[in-house]
Amino acid sequence: KNEVEQSPQNLTAQEGEFITINCSYSVGISALHWLQQHPGGGIVSLFMLSSGKKKHGRLIATINIQEKHSSLHITASHPRDSAVYICAVKKDSNYQLIWGAGTKLIIKP
Amino acid sequence: DGGITQSPKYLFRKEGQNVTLSCEQNLNHDAMYWYRQDPGQGLRLIYYSQIVNDFQKGDIAEGYSVSREKKESFPLTVTSAQKNPTAFYLCASSRQGMGTEAFFGQGTRLTVV
Repeated sequence: KNEVEQSPQNLTAQEGEFITINCSYSVGISALHWLQQHPGGGIVSLFMLSSGKKKHGRLIATINIQEKHSSLHITASHPRDSAVYICAVKKDSNYQLIWGAGTKLIIKP
Repeated sequence: DGGITQSPKYLFRKEGQNVTLSCEQNLNHDAMYWYRQDPGQGLRLIYYSQIVNDFQKGDIAEGYSVSREKKESFPLTVTSAQKNPTAFYLCASSRQGMGTEAFFGQGTRLTVV
């Protein structure tokens, strides 16, 4: 079993829909990252969380340390949000980054 | 502004040639990492370094080499021994310690023809 699991693997939605992407992990962590990867590969860091909730524009990220679970929400989704969203955790034992497989999101106009 | 810089964004090389990917950070981070991503796959650790002049193999180190002569720099060489070098390569850095943020380069897409 992977130490970081993301769901769903693929998600297609209509413009304007509320989007939720989930990340569960099985190790102790010091931080969790959400990143966005567009076609062509460039990676953008969206959030770093160690507790609670963060908001940036239409993006909201939450983390529940007790349940070892994080969610990334996109409100009022737009076709330009189409990308792969990746969850990565920083292990508290050796500070290494462990990556989820990513969620491919397609927003249709 | 502090950050981490990978260059180039796209790189083409002929089969059998060694190629070196650059990763530089001015964040005073101790730890630096190299990852590889294949189409439709997650990122996998190639090498990491937690201190200058020291580095450790990750899960897929075969066919790659690194150096860490300076804190700011962690270049990755893809050697001719790497059987399938065409991939997306990502560099990251972080401070050691709890709750610290990692920073990520933009990535380099290497195509070997």
